[in-house]
Amino acid sequence: GAVVSQHPSRVICKSGTSVKIECRSLDFQATTMFWYRQFPKQSLMLMATSNEGSKATYEQGVEKDKFLINHASLTLSTLTVTSAHPEDSSFYICSAKRGGYGDQPQHFGDGTRLSIL
Amino acid sequence: AQSVTQLGSHVSVSEGALVLLRCNYSSSVPPYLFWYVQYPNQGLQLLLKYTSAATLVKGINGFEAEFKKSETSFHLTKPSAHMSDAAEYFCAVSEFSGNKLVFGAGTILRVKS
Repeated sequence: GAVVSQHPSRVICKSGTSVKIECRSLDFQATTMFWYRQFPKQSLMLMATSNEGSKATYEQGVEKDKFLINHASLTLSTLTVTSAHPEDSSFYICSAKRGGYGDQPQHFGDGTRLSIL
Repeated sequence: AQSVTQLGSHVSVSEGALVLLRCNYSSSVPPYLFWYVQYPNQGLQLLLKYTSAATLVKGINGFEAEFKKSETSFHLTKPSAHMSDAAEYFCAVSEFSGNKLVFGAGTILRVKS
């Protein structure tokens, strides 16, 4: 299989705090990981693409300093929402792409529901 | 640029009836196309993908989709709906398999008993 674990599944915190979300590929090495944001009753919007050992590529309109992404190893990527505010409340989902040749689809984590009070 | 349009934000079928979820895409290059399913408060599970091989793609849970280039469509079907199929379904397109995905708005499937 290709299992992607995301932690925490849910977090509630006060405005102004920073929140870190982890995305791990449990049984494969992920050369590329993706971070998506999903607003209620809407589709997923890609925030950024991260490749192991290099800086993340952010989509237009996504603040790099607000959403810090680190992909330090082939099995772990983290998203840190800095100085979170209520408008950052959302469902965040990561996905991971297996390394190697050939067609490799993205495998998704179960998401993190972030609520900022 | 690539885009996906899913016709019908909500589809309701009776248990045992045919499921048809529509997806049309726009792409300047030969596309890779995907269908994902999402259950409440969960991530996405890949149902099937088209990667320029056979135009009729069979996926998990009895779903299949047919790539029609002339219609720029990739509709998802299942001959007989089951209660457990109730979920939200997303069609997605990318330039390369596993690369940046562009998602449609999603279709919520309701299955009536």
